[in-house]
Amino acid sequence: AQTVTQSQPEMSVQEAETVTLSCTYDTSESDYYLFWYKQPPSRQMILVIRQEAYKQQNATENRFSVNFQKAAKSFSLKISDSQLGDAAMYFCAYRSGQGAQKLVFGQGTRLTINP
Amino acid sequence: DSGVTQTPKHLITATGQRVTLRCSPRSGDLSVYWYQQSLDQGLQFLIQYYNGEERAKGNILERFSAQQFPDLHSELNLSSLELGDSALYFCASSPGGWGSTDTQYFGPGTRLTVL
Repeated sequence: AQTVTQSQPEMSVQEAETVTLSCTYDTSESDYYLFWYKQPPSRQMILVIRQEAYKQQNATENRFSVNFQKAAKSFSLKISDSQLGDAAMYFCAYRSGQGAQKLVFGQGTRLTINP
Repeated sequence: DSGVTQTPKHLITATGQRVTLRCSPRSGDLSVYWYQQSLDQGLQFLIQYYNGEERAKGNILERFSAQQFPDLHSELNLSSLELGDSALYFCASSPGGWGSTDTQYFGPGTRLTVL
């Protein structure tokens, strides 16, 4: 079974600075997808970014980018120019590329932005 | 706003009772997923429906059941409720079914409190 591990329960960063959230996963599959979801205090789950395992290029969405290291099974999220609105729980998630599409989530990292 | 709606937003009930949570997927989405978020277990996949049929099952208790109706809305039924069932229940939807590459978009969740 696939597992996702986020080793940083909490992180904090100064506003306007850069922060990196870590995620590792374990799988024997070669076809899969990785996601970062954001959960602000409203508790809504918001998609931040998605990475296809077959793509070597790291995904980027505005101030959010990932460092996808397939061999190391690592998928970190970099947030540049941090803003107060980035404060939230961030969840890393794995989904198989075949068959069932269930998301397997990590434990989450609580990100605090200091003004 | 993801386009996925869930009702009710909050539900408070007593142990031993039965409740029904409702989800309407995004327009055009055929797949509905249910997830449970609790302090103990984190975010866990419960069940997936695609176009009215059950497609995948996760860690769903026998006291829980779900269905997807012809208009594609879904209901999650929780019976013989226990204190440990208190959690945030999310519904997510995506366009495709088995083997699809679609991203899942989440509703705002239903917070269930069992007293």
